[in-house]
Amino acid sequence: GAVVSQHPSWVICKSGTSVKIECRSLDFQATTMFWYRQFPKQSLMLMATSNEGSKATYEQGVEKDKFLINHASLTLSTLTVTSAHPEDSSFYICSARGPGTTLNTEAFFGQGTRLTVV
Amino acid sequence: QKEVEQNSGPLSVPEGAIASLNCTYSDRGSQSFFWYRQYSGKSPELIMFIYSNGDKEDGRFTAQLNKASQYVSLLIRDSQPSDSATYLCAVRPSGAGSYQLTFGKGTKLSVIP
Repeated sequence: GAVVSQHPSWVICKSGTSVKIECRSLDFQATTMFWYRQFPKQSLMLMATSNEGSKATYEQGVEKDKFLINHASLTLSTLTVTSAHPEDSSFYICSARGPGTTLNTEAFFGQGTRLTVV
Repeated sequence: QKEVEQNSGPLSVPEGAIASLNCTYSDRGSQSFFWYRQYSGKSPELIMFIYSNGDKEDGRFTAQLNKASQYVSLLIRDSQPSDSATYLCAVRPSGAGSYQLTFGKGTKLSVIP
């Protein structure tokens, strides 16, 4: 299957600083990538949909000025958590739609990034 | 609001038994249904997807879909301790032109040796 690489796998940062998370599709071009957040014992919550070359579409309640998404190429999307606070500590996961155009095209997930804000 | 519901569990089954995981969804127009397995601290990995009514088998796994009842299930035969994980049901709703998925909260499965 297609491979999505997410980096870093974990990061600890101080409150008030910014953190960038990268999501790369290694062997296919991903015009659409998705960013999820998962709190302990909760399901994946979609934060935003990232489209190459255009502005990301954010889900209701997600601050676009706090969670900056850039999808400048067909293989790379980045999520920057700005002015991070302890409540932003979570597991962030990206996914990319696999090649093809059918509705059954599965989503391939990155390894996830464990963010801890202290 | 489009919802996907799963029993959070934990569901405990003895090794070698059949584990049955269930999922219901609210959007009657949903078209594709996915089962993911997620180990603690890891990202989800796809087990299988189904889009037609009936059963779909892949090795020890069988997905069952009943669109009239808005119900999808996953059966795991000959359960192994390595199957212990959280199983996420995901639905691709109707009108989701960007192919986004809506996830349930997951069912935690424990296979007892």
